[in-house]
Amino acid sequence: AQRVTQPEKLLSVFKGAPVELKCNYSYSGSPELFWYVQYSRQRLQLLLRHISRESIKGFTADLNKGETSFHLKKPFAQEEDSAMYYCALSDNYGQNFVFGPGTRLSVLP
Amino acid sequence: SAVISQKPSRDICQRGTSLTIQCQVDSQVTMMFWYRQQPGQSLTLIATANQGSEATYESGFVIDKFPISRPNLTFSTLTVSNMSPEDSSIYLCSGKGGGRSEQYFGPGTRLTVT
Repeated sequence: AQRVTQPEKLLSVFKGAPVELKCNYSYSGSPELFWYVQYSRQRLQLLLRHISRESIKGFTADLNKGETSFHLKKPFAQEEDSAMYYCALSDNYGQNFVFGPGTRLSVLP
Repeated sequence: SAVISQKPSRDICQRGTSLTIQCQVDSQVTMMFWYRQQPGQSLTLIATANQGSEATYESGFVIDKFPISRPNLTFSTLTVSNMSPEDSSIYLCSGKGGGRSEQYFGPGTRLTVT
């Protein structure tokens, strides 16, 4: 069965500092990995997915199959990045979505 | 992309009653899902809404408690039956295209049971 873990429930950084939100997964096949973000009082929305290999709002994430990780990184955090971040995985067929427990990022001024 | 709307956005209900939540997608999607999200917690999948057939429920969720309909490719309903205070939560609808496409989420329905 697939599983997604996010070890940090809360992560606080100062504005301008680098940030890394950790995500590890377990899945025997070839997964599709996603990062979703939920800003205060807004709906859950896709931030990025590993197959697109693009940078959204300065965030990047690299799939490391050896370490089964998909950590989210940004070199210089901004206050508007404060939100709840969820790592998610789907199976080879795009089904069986599993969400991690989420990490609340707080960027301090 | 798909835009998903839900009705109602919030409701306060009495114990023992039922509430039906509607989910509308602005374009056809292959799959629709219903999630529950307790405040400050992650999403828990309730079921996959299947068009024209019974929904597929996850462990811990049953049809008698959470009946789901999906009459076409753009609409689904979730009913929370015989509610108790433990059912107080945010209920989210999502839609997804075929293959490895992303999920799009509705704004959620905040349910409070007194």
